[in-house]
Parts: sequence; C-alpha cells; structure tokens
Amino acid sequence: DAGVTQSPTHLIKTRGQQVTLRCSPKSGHDTVSWYQQALGQGPQFIFQYYEEEERQRGNFPDRFSGHQFPNYSSELNVNALLLGDSALYLCASSLNKGDLNTEAFFGQGTRLTVV
Amino acid sequence: DQQVKQNSPSLSVQEGRISILNCDYTNSMFDYFLWYKKYPAEGPTFLISISSIKDKNEDGRFTVFLNKSAKHLSLHIVPSQPGDSAVYFCAATPFNSGGSNYKLTFGKGTLLTVNP
Repeated sequence: DAGVTQSPTHLIKTRGQQVTLRCSPKSGHDTVSWYQQALGQGPQFIFQYYEEEERQRGNFPDRFSGHQFPNYSSELNVNALLLGDSALYLCASSLNKGDLNTEAFFGQGTRLTVV
Repeated sequence: DQQVKQNSPSLSVQEGRISILNCDYTNSMFDYFLWYKKYPAEGPTFLISISSIKDKNEDGRFTVFLNKSAKHLSLHIVPSQPGDSAVYFCAATPFNSGGSNYKLTFGKGTLLTVNP
C-alpha cells in the first residue's frame, strides 16, 4: 500500500519564477493538507483540500494556491518566488469521517531552494 | 506568536532510560494533540495522540500525558532505544475545526539522541 508520495523530491528555482509541487495521498484518503517547514522550524499549515475545494487556509499570501483533482491528488503552486520561500514542503493526507479525520500521514516532502 | 512551544531544542539520554519530551500550548481552543517523529530526509511519522477529554494515552513504549489546566503535555518513551533518535514534533488542533487533523499547529521540535 503506497503511502503519501510527493514529487519532485528536490527543486531549485530562480527568484520570480513559478513552481508546482505534486502530491498523491495515501490510498483511501480523501483530504490533502500542505505544510511549509523552514529550517529549524516546525511545519506551518498552508491550506487543506477536500472534495476538490480549499477548506481551510493558514496565514500564507495569495501567491500560494492549490488544486485537488477527482482522484484526490493535489498540487501546490507558488508564484513570484521569493528567497524566503525556500523550505521543505510537506503534503499530508487523511480520511474525512464526518466530524473527525484520521491522523494525518505525511509524505517525504519536496525541498525547494530559491536562488 | 507561537501557539505550540517545545522549549528544549535537544535532549540526550542513555539507552534503556526514560526520555521525556515536553510541549506547552497557549490556544485554549486546542482540543486534540499529536506527536510526530521525523528522521532526516523523511516526512513526519505519526506516533501517538490524545484528546482533551483524557489525561493519558499509552501505546507500547510511548505514553502521552496531558495537563489541560497547565496547557502542558509530555511524551514519555520507556525504555529509550537508539532507533528513537529523531526530531519529535508536538502538534495541536482545535476540535471545532471539524476534525482531528485540520490545521495542525506544530512546535519547533526537539532533537532526541539516545546513546548506546
């Protein structure tokens, strides 16, 4: 049973460029959340997708956007990259069960470096 | 404003002894707490969780204690093993966000080193 898979694992982009990161959730999961982990910090919540809609959003600018597809996979897009966007981007999946979700399973992350 | 704080950046213990990792939170809306372990080049792995209606949850060598009045929780690992060496993150979420995993707020993590 494949867990949460993210691609690519590493990426180098130039300031001002745009980037798309991809995530396939664990089999059976329908909810995808994205987190940014800067060096020496804990992961910070960016947003969450369920039923192809953004359900919750953290304190991130509109340059960060996302999408969820009918097969529950998800993309994270970041426009006009800044040096400060350099971080590990983590995708987490879970299963929505009415008022509860299962514990989130994380992918290995995408290391984004902006130069 | 950090709502989840892990004040010890690192902890070193001997194999076989107890490891105690601490976490404090400030947001009274937090209702569900989780611990994750992270090895380098891997994503966080779920360890154990606790709801605010409990004060203790145990799973094998891992026990989480919650003191809601003090807004404090701790993770106990007994006995500690060298394979437990990793970064441990405390995370919290409010129940009224609709589920146990919505919008996790993480601490900065504690690096645990278990020496043979």
